Parts: sequence; structure tokens; C-alpha cells
Amino acid sequence: NAGVMQNPRHLVRRRGQEARLRCSPMKGHSHVYWYRQLPEEGLKFMVYLQKENIIDESGMPKERFSAEFPKEGPSILRIQQVVRGDSAAYFCASSPPSGSIYEQYFGPGTRLTVT
Amino acid sequence: SQKIEQNSEALNIQEGKTATLTCNYTNYSPAYLQWYRQDPGRGPVFLLLIRENEKEKRKERLKVTFDTTLKQSLFHITASQPADSATYLCALPQGSSNTGKLIFGQGTTLQVKP
Repeated sequence: NAGVMQNPRHLVRRRGQEARLRCSPMKGHSHVYWYRQLPEEGLKFMVYLQKENIIDESGMPKERFSAEFPKEGPSILRIQQVVRGDSAAYFCASSPPSGSIYEQYFGPGTRLTVT
Repeated sequence: SQKIEQNSEALNIQEGKTATLTCNYTNYSPAYLQWYRQDPGRGPVFLLLIRENEKEKRKERLKVTFDTTLKQSLFHITASQPADSATYLCALPQGSSNTGKLIFGQGTTLQVKP
């Protein structure tokens, strides 16, 4: 039973380019969460999605960041026109559709470096 | 605003001893609290969840307590082993517990020496 998968594991972008981070939740999970972890800081919630719906994006920066979780395929976190301050580890987590949404299962993360 | 505090100083203990980590929170009353483990370069791994009406929960060598009066959770690892060395994160639901949105503490790094 594969866990949460994220790719790429490492991503290097120059300032101004776009970054696309992918997350495939665990089989049977329909809730996806994205978190960002800056160096020496804790995990910060960004967005919570269900299939084809954004449930809570209160942690997303207002500009340049967007997320989607289409009916088919992985969830995508997209960062346009990246800046150095976007360099961080981005983690995706998933939880099952029914019963408890409490436990979240995290992927290995994508480490974004902006040069 | 809701705030979580974990001891930012690393905890160093000898193998076989009990490690105790603390999580304090302010400005709200969460329905539950979770503990995660994070190893360097990896994603957090869920360990335990304790609900507001539970005083204590155990899983193998792990024990979590939840004191809603003190607004504090204690996380214990008994008979600690070097393999327990990691950063341990406390997490609480932000706002409504139905959103699944978690806020995390900074984490406490545990180092178990053989």
C-alpha cells in the first residue's frame, strides 16, 4: 500500500520561473493538505483540498500561489514567478474520506531551491 | 491568536531512560491533539492522537497525556533507544476541528545516546 507520493523530491528554479509540485495521496484518500516548512521554522498550513474543490486556502499567499486537486491525477501546488523567499520544503498530506480526518499521512516533501 | 509552544532546546538523554516532551497551547480549546515524529529530510509521521475527553493514551513505549485545564500535553517515550532520536512535533486543529487544518509547534529534537 503505497504512501503519499510527492515529486519531484528536489526542484531548483531561477527567480521568475514557475514551480510545479505534485502530490499523489494514499490510495482511497480524498483529502489533501499542503504545508510549507521554512528553514528553522515549523510546518505552516497552506491549503486543504478535496477532489475538484478547495476547502480552505487561508494559509496560501494571495499572489503567485495556487493549488488544485482534479478529478483525475495528482494534486498540484503551483508557484508562479518564484522568489528566493519561496525556498522551503513543501509537504503534502492526505487523509481518508470518511470517519476521522484527524490523522494526516505526509509525503517525503519537495525541497524547492530558488537561485 | 492560537499559539503552540514546544521546548526549542534539544533534549539529550541516555538510552533506557524516559524522555518527556512538553507541548503548551494558548487561546483556545482544541477537540484533540496529535504528536508526530520527523526525521531529517523526511515528512512527519503520525504517532498518536488524544481527544479532549481523554486524559492519557498509550501505544507501545509511547504515552501521551492531555490536561485541558493546564492547556498542556506531555509526550513520554519509555526505555528510550538511539533509534528514537528525531524531532517530535505537537499539532492541534486550527479553528473548527472539522477542517483538518493543523497548526504545528516548532518541534523538540530528542537525542538518545547509547
